[in-house]
Amino acid sequence: GAVVSQHPSWVICKSGTSVKIECRSLDFQATTMFWYRQFPKQSLMLMATSNEGSKATYEQGVEKDKFLINHASLTLSTLTVTSAHPEDSSFYICSATHFRDHEQFFGPGTRLTVL
Amino acid sequence: AQKVTQAQTEISVVEKEDVTLDCVYETRDTTYYLFWYKQPPSGELVFLIRRNSFDEQNEISGRYSWNFQKSTSSFNFTITASQVVDSAVYFCALTGSARQLTFGSGTQLTVLP
Repeated sequence: GAVVSQHPSWVICKSGTSVKIECRSLDFQATTMFWYRQFPKQSLMLMATSNEGSKATYEQGVEKDKFLINHASLTLSTLTVTSAHPEDSSFYICSATHFRDHEQFFGPGTRLTVL
Repeated sequence: AQKVTQAQTEISVVEKEDVTLDCVYETRDTTYYLFWYKQPPSGELVFLIRRNSFDEQNEISGRYSWNFQKSTSSFNFTITASQVVDSAVYFCALTGSARQLTFGSGTQLTVLP
């Protein structure tokens, strides 16, 4: 159990376009989902926390107008990178958790390359 | 504020050697959870273990073992008789009352044949 999927697994886009990444909890209801970004040879950095039905909470330094997060259901959260630029190229990983649990279940990640 | 320190950036060992990955943490929470994850080149995080702050028993799972010591705020991970397939980046992480995971900087382990 506790499977989290991400789609797409990789995406290449042109500078200035928007990209949407989906994160789904397949076999449990995720009251909270987290979005992380990982640059090469670096650790995972939390970008935002989203609770189902409410606005996401962004970490300091993360532009909420650039990284739009929607968590409209207990099994789906989306991250939209708006007007992507080459510096947004990174590995984006989501995780999901249930309010009773302290363990986060991670998706396989999405590798974004902006040309 | 929470902090996780993995002082070893890279470790290289020869197959069958034992290797210990260090993890030191800081937190003001009295209840917290510690984790270890493995990240192979594919990028997907693989969960290895979770330990809560009230359980200081060491744990062994096959070739893996973990040493949790609250007195030194450490949660070290040992791989016995390492294998090439153990080559990966290993992350130690911490969560507390805020339920947000704080990751260490990771240790790149390379096991040479």
